[in-house]
Amino acid sequence: AQSVTQPDIHITVSEGASLELRCNYSYGATPYLFWYVQSPGQGLQLLLKYFSGDTLVQGIKGFEAEFKRSQSSFNLRKPSVHWSDAAEYFCAVGSSAGGTSYGKLTFGQGTILTVHP
Amino acid sequence: EAQVTQNPRYLITVTGKKLTVTCSQNMNHEYMSWYRQDPGLGLRQIYYSMNVEVTDKGDVPEGYKVSRKEKRNFPLILESPSPNQTSLYFCASSWGAGFYEQYFGPGTRLTVT
Repeated sequence: AQSVTQPDIHITVSEGASLELRCNYSYGATPYLFWYVQSPGQGLQLLLKYFSGDTLVQGIKGFEAEFKRSQSSFNLRKPSVHWSDAAEYFCAVGSSAGGTSYGKLTFGQGTILTVHP
Repeated sequence: EAQVTQNPRYLITVTGKKLTVTCSQNMNHEYMSWYRQDPGLGLRQIYYSMNVEVTDKGDVPEGYKVSRKEKRNFPLILESPSPNQTSLYFCASSWGAGFYEQYFGPGTRLTVT
């Protein structure tokens, strides 16, 4: 069964500092990987996604993520955080086509980001 | 405007009283899905639908039912709600499963007393 672990429940950074949010996944084949962001009281919005190709993917709002197969990781990064980035971030893994669970999407527990001025 | 709508947005009910949360999308998406969000557990998939009349269980389907009779609608049914179903529920839709971006509704906060 597929699974996602986000080891950090809560991260606090200062505005302008760099950010890295960790995500580790478990999946038997090449996974679909996603990062979503949820602002307070809102639904989720896709930041970026990865399936194949260049292992460094660019997303919206200046975010990027790097896929490392050897570490089963898909960490999210941003070089300089803005106060508006304060939100909850979710990593997710989707089942690839051909599998019995195609259509399933499994989310991590989420990481709450607080930004200090 | 392209959107996923859910109704109601807030609901307080009592144990055992059947309820339905509606979900509708206007993007002609084939794939739809329901999630519940609980603190510390992230989002967990309840059911998903690959197309009309095609539904399948997610990770936490117990106590829930769904139907997909029309492409645009995917209601979530709780036949006999219990307090452990108190949660924030999200509906989402996309062009397909796998690599497609999911578009989320605004959420329904359900309290079962």
